[in-house]
Amino acid sequence: NAGVTQTPKFQVLKTGQSMTLQCAQDMNHNSMYWYRQDPGMGLRLIYYSASEGTTDKGEVPNGYNVSRLNKREFSLRLESAAPSQTSVYFCASSGTRGGTEAFFGQGTRLTVV
Amino acid sequence: DAKTTQPPSMDCAEGRAANLPCNHSTISGNEYVYWYRQIHSQGPQYIIHGLKNNETNEMASLIITEDRKSSTLILPHATLRDTAVYYCIVRVSLPFSGGYQKVTFGTGTKLQVIP
Repeated sequence: NAGVTQTPKFQVLKTGQSMTLQCAQDMNHNSMYWYRQDPGMGLRLIYYSASEGTTDKGEVPNGYNVSRLNKREFSLRLESAAPSQTSVYFCASSGTRGGTEAFFGQGTRLTVV
Repeated sequence: DAKTTQPPSMDCAEGRAANLPCNHSTISGNEYVYWYRQIHSQGPQYIIHGLKNNETNEMASLIITEDRKSSTLILPHATLRDTAVYYCIVRVSLPFSGGYQKVTFGTGTKLQVIP
């Protein structure tokens, strides 16, 4: 069981370049999330998707777009990367029943130069 | 969302119990308390959760006060592998989504297990 898989694991971008971070889960979860974690800080929610076909902004959505492609996949796009977007990005998924925990991917380490 | 307050860091001797406190004084009646940990720069890992009763699993125990305004995560016999940042979070349930929960993290407690 793979759980939550993120690609790529590492990426270096130049300022202004675009890229898409991919996330897929195989647990049949309805809800998926994208977080970023800056050095020495906790996780901040960028966007989330409560269910297939819906997406909503989290705490820090500026500069990002998301797509819930299907129930399994939730992608995060940086249209014009900026150095301030240098961070580690985590994707997570969770069920919708009371008490269900969230499962996280191993992260994508992104550097924007 | 109910906010949580945790000490920024704690030390624990290897083999001893690690008791990590969390305050969540504004928690609502239908909100759960969850604990996660993040080892080095890996993705966060679920540990345990509870609503109002004490809970125990193979990893830890969770003690929630009767008024639900605080809780304590207990690692009964801490090992060096338990060195991590521990997050206490309270899960919001948004009624219009029929029970969907948005998970919001704070800065957690950095637990250092000392040999």
